[in-house]
Amino acid sequence: DIVMTQSPDSLAVSLGETATINCKSSQSLLYGSNNKNYLAWYQHKPGQSPRLLMYWASTRESGVPERFTGSGSGTDFSLTISSLQAEDVAVYYCQQYYTSYTFGQGTKLQIK
Amino acid sequence: QVHLVESGRGVVQPGRSLRLSCAASGFNFTNHGLHWVRQAPGKGLEWLAVISYEGIIEDYADSVKGRFTISRDDSKSTVYLQINSVRPDDTAVYYCAAAGQYYFNYWGQGTLVTVSS
Repeated sequence: DIVMTQSPDSLAVSLGETATINCKSSQSLLYGSNNKNYLAWYQHKPGQSPRLLMYWASTRESGVPERFTGSGSGTDFSLTISSLQAEDVAVYYCQQYYTSYTFGQGTKLQIK
Repeated sequence: QVHLVESGRGVVQPGRSLRLSCAASGFNFTNHGLHWVRQAPGKGLEWLAVISYEGIIEDYADSVKGRFTISRDDSKSTVYLQINSVRPDDTAVYYCAAAGQYYFNYWGQGTLVTVSS
């Protein structure tokens, strides 16, 4: 089974600054035949449903602000949130869909 | 507008069976894979099961294989999760989600299941 490990478990960032969340998979998520990384990012706010932010590691879902950026390839990925806003407070999860499905343990983002 | 609405018994005794339902609207249900995901109190998201479009393929997390069964009724735009021999550690908010390709485009609001005697 593919294990997804996020870092850090939590972080606090000042409004207007940049937050970076890392995600490492136990095996490569890059599928050679199409050169796509089978990784998604979700945002989960308390009392709400999770929301898809990114897929194929770096493709922004419709309606997601451009200050959210996904990057990485193979086994190492990042979600960067620039110009942090109060509404970005949430738990963020990476998820692999290369073989079955696995979520990372989540990263709790707070305002400093 | 897309809606996924989960329903199912709130409190269930250990050892009993439970079936959760998720009714969908606002998108082409028949060409989406359907998933169940849960979040135990104070924990992260745990993927549980998937059923492909047309119900051809099912897959389960190792932690629930043999005890959980996913099914779908396209005529009702509904996906189900049958849970047998419920245990206290099945206590969680259960979400259904729909995937046009692999990633989960749409999510329900979740339904809380509490296993307690």
